[in-house]
Amino acid sequence: DARVTQTPRHKVTEMGQEVTMRCQPILGHNTVFWYRQTMMQGLELLAYFRNRAPLDDSGMPKDRFSAEMPDATLATLKIQPSEPRDSAVYFCASGVSGNTIYFGEGSWLTVV
Amino acid sequence: QKEVEQDPGPLSVPEGAIVSLNCTYSNSAFQYFMWYRQYSRKGPELLMYTYSSGNKEDGRFTAQVDKSSKYISLFIRDSQPSDSATYLCAVHNQGGKLIFGQGTELSVKP
Repeated sequence: DARVTQTPRHKVTEMGQEVTMRCQPILGHNTVFWYRQTMMQGLELLAYFRNRAPLDDSGMPKDRFSAEMPDATLATLKIQPSEPRDSAVYFCASGVSGNTIYFGEGSWLTVV
Repeated sequence: QKEVEQDPGPLSVPEGAIVSLNCTYSNSAFQYFMWYRQYSRKGPELLMYTYSSGNKEDGRFTAQVDKSSKYISLFIRDSQPSDSATYLCAVHNQGGKLIFGQGTELSVKP
């Protein structure tokens, strides 16, 4: 049963610390998305990649967030330094161009 | 103005009721329309996918798209307590950008 795998599932960290979230997309999928979900804003698109190249990261605060795909099996989202307002659920999703996308279970981040 | 607008609810209905969920979008470039369902503490899962105006039916679920009005709907017939979840509409352009509505929280009471 192919699925998007995200780690860590839960993370509590102190303000100012670096946080790295990882995502393994479904094998064969060439598009990877990072979303952030909060009660107030819903699901916000942070960045997405096609064939490992960043296509759009306009939703991401550039001063502290960065997203990369070191290889086709790994996508990372890094926050440095983290702030309490970054507390949210971060979802990775993958798909094949122009078709449906599938979500991971999310990384639940709390910054205190 | 958000690109996709969805009433966040919450919406509470009795078991067996017909549920109507709606979204509007602003950009006619969006060509693909989806509904996702998200259970508490889980990732969204795809429920319905369509790319044309009209209706698409899958069991108790019907997705409706009106491109002229930029309006999309999801109808649930004979609603069940297991349908209780948050329902998110999503729009997708050919470039691959997928934008979600706020999500509507639905509760179906036995």
